Amino acid sequence: ETGVTQSPTHLIKTRGQQVTLRCSSQSGHNTVSWYQQALGQGPQFIFQYYREEENGRGNFPPRFSGLQFPNYSSELNVNALELDDSALYLCASSLGSATGTYNEQFFGPGTRLTVL
Amino acid sequence: GENVEQHPSTLSVQEGDSAVIKCTYSDSASNYFPWYKQELGKRPQLIIDIRSNVGEKKDQRIAVTLNKTAKHFSLHITETQPEDSAVYFCAAQEGGYSTLTFGKGTMLLVSP
Repeated sequence: ETGVTQSPTHLIKTRGQQVTLRCSSQSGHNTVSWYQQALGQGPQFIFQYYREEENGRGNFPPRFSGLQFPNYSSELNVNALELDDSALYLCASSLGSATGTYNEQFFGPGTRLTVL
Repeated sequence: GENVEQHPSTLSVQEGDSAVIKCTYSDSASNYFPWYKQELGKRPQLIIDIRSNVGEKKDQRIAVTLNKTAKHFSLHITETQPEDSAVYFCAAQEGGYSTLTFGKGTMLLVSP
């Protein structure tokens, strides 16, 4: 198993609410990427943080926001939850550089979000 | 942006047979191509990866081939075993970022 952890494991929210998901990166890693995985689909890139700065964003609306802390852990915040936000949210940590890197991304176990 | 197509969506084989999963990508700037295995309810785990300066890579029963001209890469699993049953995802990484674009996955079922 990787050293990447996520909390909580499962979460149930209602439409319109806000949620915060957390990710602790593997020791020595400075980059965290967040992915949304809908049932039966591949993970879709939400955004990436490199040394506390956003370093790329996928095709997700602004109500998806994030943060990376000095210890390189990260949060994903989703406002105004919609039914379609129900998915497995995965974070992945890696050792990145300012110019981009091809080092392996280590995934956490994910947070299963259900929006009712 | 990058687009990754993966085929087939499901693949059923008998134990001991070989399995091949194919992916194509759209961005010629992509230079890194990992394959992940995801068992039910678990996180994706890297099983093999290949960089653009290499045409083929092997690791025991698993191999990956890359054709940069045609922009496609394939996963080959030989002597399949029931524990190989899982969903396999290919991905491509665009230059300049560490983000990955994933295919939609292939559910591999290996029957004893």
